[in-house]
Amino acid sequence: EAGVTQSPTHLIKTRGQQATLRCSPISGHTSVYWYQQALGLGLQFLLWYDEGEERNRGNFPPRFSGRQFPNYSSELNVNALELEDSALYLCASSKRQGYGYTFGSGTRLTVV
Amino acid sequence: ELKVEQNPLFLSMQEGKNYTIYCNYSTTSDRLYWYRQDPGKSLESLFVLLSNGAVKQEGRLMASLDTKARLSTLHITAAVHDLSATYFCAVEETSGSRLTFGEGTQLTVNP
Repeated sequence: EAGVTQSPTHLIKTRGQQATLRCSPISGHTSVYWYQQALGLGLQFLLWYDEGEERNRGNFPPRFSGRQFPNYSSELNVNALELEDSALYLCASSKRQGYGYTFGSGTRLTVV
Repeated sequence: ELKVEQNPLFLSMQEGKNYTIYCNYSTTSDRLYWYRQDPGKSLESLFVLLSNGAVKQEGRLMASLDTKARLSTLHITAAVHDLSATYFCAVEETSGSRLTFGEGTQLTVNP
């Protein structure tokens, strides 16, 4: 069984640009979650998508957005990049609430 | 707002010794997760604790959950170098299906 896959592995962008990160969940998982792991700030919840809908959102500005596609894959968009957006972005998927979360290998975003 | 606190944040121990990492959380929840993260890598699931009194063991690691005390522990028995990593506990909020993570405990096991 393939795990959660994220692409790209690394992404370097210039301040003010937009970044798009992608995530494919485990087959059969309908929920996708995005987390940010910035240096010194720990792991923070960004977004939760389930069945194509945004279900919950963390304390992040609106320039962080995303969507979930009919095949349950998801993308995270970060607009107007700032230097402090540099972080490891982790995607997780689950079959449904309370059945555990499997994390992907992450996308390391560097904003210069 | 749910808060999750781990201690210690840094732990240096010798091989063969035992130690416990503590995870306290602030609101009612009966779902707690432990993850391991190696430098530059993703999160590896270690344990899922789904009820009060749950105890799970895998190798040299044992995790427990006391929902009344809002406390989980990760006990390390006879540590080996391969256990060196950062360990996170995470609590699932009963509403919203999101994980709130502790700050992480950076464990270094020295020969």
